[in-house]
Amino acid sequence: NAGVTQTPKFRILKIGQSMTLQCTQDMNHNYMYWYRQDPGMGLKLIYYSVGAGITDKGEVPNGYNVSRSTTEDFPLRLELAAPSQTSVYFCASTRDYGYTFGSGTRLTVV
Amino acid sequence: RKEVEQDPGPFNVPEGATVAFNCTYSNSASQSFFWYRQDCRKEPKLLMSVYSSGNEDGRFTAQLNRASQYISLLIRDSKLSDSATYLCVVEGTGTASKLTFGTGTRLQVTL
Repeated sequence: NAGVTQTPKFRILKIGQSMTLQCTQDMNHNYMYWYRQDPGMGLKLIYYSVGAGITDKGEVPNGYNVSRSTTEDFPLRLELAAPSQTSVYFCASTRDYGYTFGSGTRLTVV
Repeated sequence: RKEVEQDPGPFNVPEGATVAFNCTYSNSASQSFFWYRQDCRKEPKLLMSVYSSGNEDGRFTAQLNRASQYISLLIRDSKLSDSATYLCVVEGTGTASKLTFGTGTRLQVTL
Protein backbone atom coordinates (compact mmCIF):
# COMPACT_ATOMS: atom_id res chain seq x y z
CA ASN A 1 0.00 0.00 0.00
CA ALA A 2 1.28 3.45 -0.90
CA GLY A 3 -0.78 5.21 1.80
CA VAL A 4 -1.44 8.87 0.97
CA THR A 5 0.31 10.20 -2.14
CA GLN A 6 0.61 13.90 -2.89
CA THR A 7 1.84 15.50 -6.07
CA PRO A 8 3.71 17.64 -6.86
CA LYS A 9 6.26 17.80 -4.02
CA PHE A 10 7.35 21.32 -4.92
CA ARG A 11 5.88 24.08 -7.05
CA ILE A 12 6.53 27.74 -7.72
CA LEU A 13 3.54 29.72 -8.98
CA LYS A 14 3.23 33.25 -10.18
CA ILE A 15 0.58 35.51 -8.67
CA GLY A 16 -2.75 34.91 -10.37
CA GLN A 17 -1.89 31.46 -11.74
CA SER A 18 -3.97 28.40 -10.95
CA MET A 19 -3.01 24.89 -10.00
CA THR A 20 -4.36 21.68 -8.56
CA LEU A 21 -2.65 19.80 -5.75
CA GLN A 22 -3.32 16.09 -6.12
CA CYS A 23 -4.00 13.71 -3.25
CA THR A 24 -4.84 10.04 -3.51
CA GLN A 25 -5.09 7.28 -0.91
CA ASP A 26 -5.34 3.53 -1.34
CA MET A 27 -6.56 2.60 2.14
CA ASN A 28 -10.28 2.97 1.40
CA HIS A 29 -10.56 5.72 4.01
CA ASN A 30 -13.78 7.70 4.00
CA TYR A 31 -12.40 10.82 5.65
CA MET A 32 -9.91 13.04 3.87
CA TYR A 33 -8.49 16.44 4.76
CA TRP A 34 -6.36 19.27 3.44
CA TYR A 35 -4.19 21.26 5.85
CA ARG A 36 -1.71 24.05 5.34
CA GLN A 37 1.27 24.70 7.57
CA ASP A 38 3.02 28.05 7.63
CA PRO A 39 6.50 28.39 9.20
CA GLY A 40 6.36 28.14 12.98
CA MET A 41 2.61 27.61 12.92
CA GLY A 42 0.32 24.69 13.51
CA LEU A 43 -1.58 22.95 10.76
CA LYS A 44 -4.74 24.75 9.70
CA LEU A 45 -7.66 22.84 8.17
CA ILE A 46 -8.63 24.08 4.70
CA TYR A 47 -11.29 21.59 3.58
CA TYR A 48 -12.39 18.12 4.49
CA SER A 49 -14.55 15.33 3.14
CA VAL A 50 -16.42 12.53 4.91
CA GLY A 51 -17.01 10.56 1.74
CA ALA A 52 -17.30 10.69 -2.02
CA GLY A 53 -19.49 13.58 -3.12
CA ILE A 54 -19.34 15.34 0.27
CA THR A 55 -17.01 18.22 1.10
CA ASP A 56 -17.04 20.95 3.71
CA LYS A 57 -15.06 24.03 4.67
CA GLY A 58 -12.49 24.02 7.40
CA GLU A 59 -10.90 26.93 9.23
CA VAL A 60 -9.16 28.63 6.27
CA PRO A 61 -11.06 27.81 3.03
CA ASN A 62 -10.82 31.16 1.23
CA GLY A 63 -8.95 30.96 -2.08
CA TYR A 64 -9.33 27.18 -2.37
CA ASN A 65 -11.75 24.64 -3.77
CA VAL A 66 -12.00 20.88 -3.51
CA SER A 67 -13.90 18.00 -5.03
CA ARG A 68 -14.35 14.36 -4.03
CA SER A 69 -15.65 12.36 -6.95
CA THR A 70 -14.11 9.08 -5.73
CA THR A 71 -13.15 7.64 -2.36
CA GLU A 72 -9.49 7.65 -3.39
CA ASP A 73 -8.96 11.18 -4.70
CA PHE A 74 -9.29 14.57 -3.03
CA PRO A 75 -7.70 17.32 -5.17
CA LEU A 76 -7.23 20.88 -3.88
CA ARG A 77 -7.59 23.72 -6.39
CA LEU A 78 -6.04 27.18 -6.14
CA GLU A 79 -7.75 29.46 -8.65
CA LEU A 80 -5.88 32.77 -8.33
CA ALA A 81 -2.65 32.21 -6.46
CA ALA A 82 -1.63 34.88 -3.95
CA PRO A 83 1.59 35.27 -1.93
CA SER A 84 -0.42 34.50 1.24
CA GLN A 85 -0.89 30.98 -0.11
CA THR A 86 2.81 30.25 0.12
CA SER A 87 2.85 27.32 2.50
CA VAL A 88 3.31 23.58 2.89
CA TYR A 89 0.13 21.67 2.11
CA PHE A 90 -0.62 18.31 3.67
CA CYS A 91 -3.32 15.89 2.68
CA ALA A 92 -4.46 13.32 5.23
CA SER A 93 -6.94 10.50 5.52
CA THR A 94 -8.46 8.32 8.21
CA ARG A 95 -11.06 5.64 8.68
CA ASP A 96 -11.89 6.55 12.26
CA TYR A 97 -8.68 6.94 14.25
CA GLY A 98 -5.23 8.36 13.61
CA TYR A 99 -4.50 10.30 10.47
CA THR A 100 -2.17 9.14 7.72
CA PHE A 101 -0.50 12.13 6.10
CA GLY A 102 0.98 12.54 2.67
CA SER A 103 4.52 13.86 2.41
CA GLY A 104 3.34 17.37 1.56
CA THR A 105 3.49 19.88 -1.28
CA ARG A 106 5.75 22.87 -0.78
CA LEU A 107 4.19 25.79 -2.66
CA THR A 108 5.74 29.21 -3.24
CA VAL A 109 3.76 32.02 -4.86
CA VAL A 110 5.89 34.85 -6.26
CA ARG B 1 -7.49 32.03 23.28
CA LYS B 2 -6.00 29.45 20.91
CA GLU B 3 -7.81 26.12 20.72
CA VAL B 4 -4.61 24.23 21.49
CA GLU B 5 -1.66 25.94 23.16
CA GLN B 6 1.87 24.66 23.54
CA ASP B 7 5.17 26.11 24.65
CA PRO B 8 7.08 26.47 21.35
CA GLY B 9 10.47 25.79 22.94
CA PRO B 10 13.02 24.97 21.81
CA PHE B 11 13.91 22.55 24.54
CA ASN B 12 17.62 21.76 24.40
CA VAL B 13 18.46 18.72 26.53
CA PRO B 14 21.43 16.35 26.78
CA GLU B 15 21.13 12.71 25.84
CA GLY B 16 19.69 10.68 28.67
CA ALA B 17 17.66 13.55 30.13
CA THR B 18 13.98 13.45 30.95
CA VAL B 19 11.88 16.16 29.32
CA ALA B 20 8.22 17.06 29.68
CA PHE B 21 5.94 18.93 27.32
CA ASN B 22 2.64 20.48 28.26
CA CYS B 23 -0.40 21.50 26.30
CA THR B 24 -3.77 23.06 27.10
CA TYR B 25 -6.95 22.98 25.05
CA SER B 26 -9.96 25.28 25.15
CA ASN B 27 -12.90 23.11 24.04
CA SER B 28 -14.10 21.08 26.99
CA ALA B 29 -16.20 18.93 24.64
CA SER B 30 -13.12 17.62 22.81
CA GLN B 31 -13.22 13.89 22.48
CA SER B 32 -9.80 12.49 21.68
CA PHE B 33 -6.25 13.60 22.21
CA PHE B 34 -2.96 12.74 20.56
CA TRP B 35 0.70 13.56 20.34
CA TYR B 36 2.19 13.69 16.85
CA ARG B 37 5.84 13.94 15.95
CA GLN B 38 7.06 16.04 13.03
CA ASP B 39 10.60 15.93 11.73
CA CYS B 40 12.01 18.90 9.88
CA ARG B 41 10.32 19.34 6.48
CA LYS B 42 8.36 16.09 6.89
CA GLU B 43 4.76 15.18 7.51
CA PRO B 44 3.39 14.69 11.05
CA LYS B 45 3.25 11.12 12.30
CA LEU B 46 1.15 9.76 15.13
CA LEU B 47 3.27 9.19 18.24
CA MET B 48 0.60 8.11 20.70
CA SER B 49 -2.92 8.63 21.94
CA VAL B 50 -3.62 10.27 25.28
CA TYR B 51 -6.04 8.88 27.85
CA SER B 52 -7.15 10.02 31.29
CA SER B 53 -5.71 6.81 32.70
CA GLY B 54 -2.34 7.58 31.14
CA ASN B 55 -0.65 5.90 28.23
CA GLU B 56 2.90 4.57 28.19
CA ASP B 57 4.88 3.38 25.19
CA GLY B 58 8.47 2.57 26.02
CA ARG B 59 10.20 5.80 27.02
CA PHE B 60 7.13 7.91 26.28
CA THR B 61 4.27 8.60 28.69
CA ALA B 62 1.23 10.72 27.87
CA GLN B 63 -1.35 11.97 30.33
CA LEU B 64 -4.68 13.77 30.08
CA ASN B 65 -6.35 15.86 32.78
CA ARG B 66 -9.86 16.60 31.55
CA ALA B 67 -10.76 18.80 34.52
CA SER B 68 -7.84 21.12 33.81
CA GLN B 69 -7.98 20.61 30.01
CA TYR B 70 -4.30 19.77 30.11
CA ILE B 71 -2.25 17.21 28.22
CA SER B 72 1.33 16.19 28.86
CA LEU B 73 4.07 14.15 27.24
CA LEU B 74 7.06 12.82 29.15
CA ILE B 75 10.14 11.49 27.37
CA ARG B 76 12.61 9.55 29.51
CA ASP B 77 16.22 8.75 28.60
CA SER B 78 16.21 11.11 25.60
CA LYS B 79 17.96 9.96 22.44
CA LEU B 80 19.45 12.03 19.65
CA SER B 81 16.77 10.55 17.41
CA ASP B 82 14.04 12.11 19.57
CA SER B 83 14.97 15.54 18.18
CA ALA B 84 11.83 16.75 16.42
CA THR B 85 8.79 18.93 16.89
CA TYR B 86 6.04 17.44 19.05
CA LEU B 87 2.49 18.45 18.16
CA CYS B 88 -0.34 18.37 20.66
CA VAL B 89 -3.52 17.42 18.80
CA VAL B 90 -7.17 17.47 19.83
CA GLU B 91 -10.12 15.90 18.07
CA GLY B 92 -13.30 17.92 18.25
CA THR B 93 -16.92 16.98 18.42
CA GLY B 94 -18.87 15.82 15.40
CA THR B 95 -18.49 12.89 13.04
CA ALA B 96 -15.75 14.12 10.74
CA SER B 97 -12.80 13.31 13.07
CA LYS B 98 -11.38 16.79 12.51
CA LEU B 99 -8.14 17.41 14.33
CA THR B 100 -6.87 20.71 15.72
CA PHE B 101 -3.12 21.01 15.99
CA GLY B 102 -1.00 23.00 18.39
CA THR B 103 1.92 24.92 16.95
CA GLY B 104 4.34 22.33 18.30
CA THR B 105 7.20 22.17 20.78
CA ARG B 106 10.64 21.75 19.33
CA LEU B 107 13.03 19.34 21.06
CA GLN B 108 16.76 19.25 20.38
CA VAL B 109 18.67 16.44 22.08
CA THR B 110 22.44 16.96 22.17
CA LEU B 111 25.47 14.84 23.01
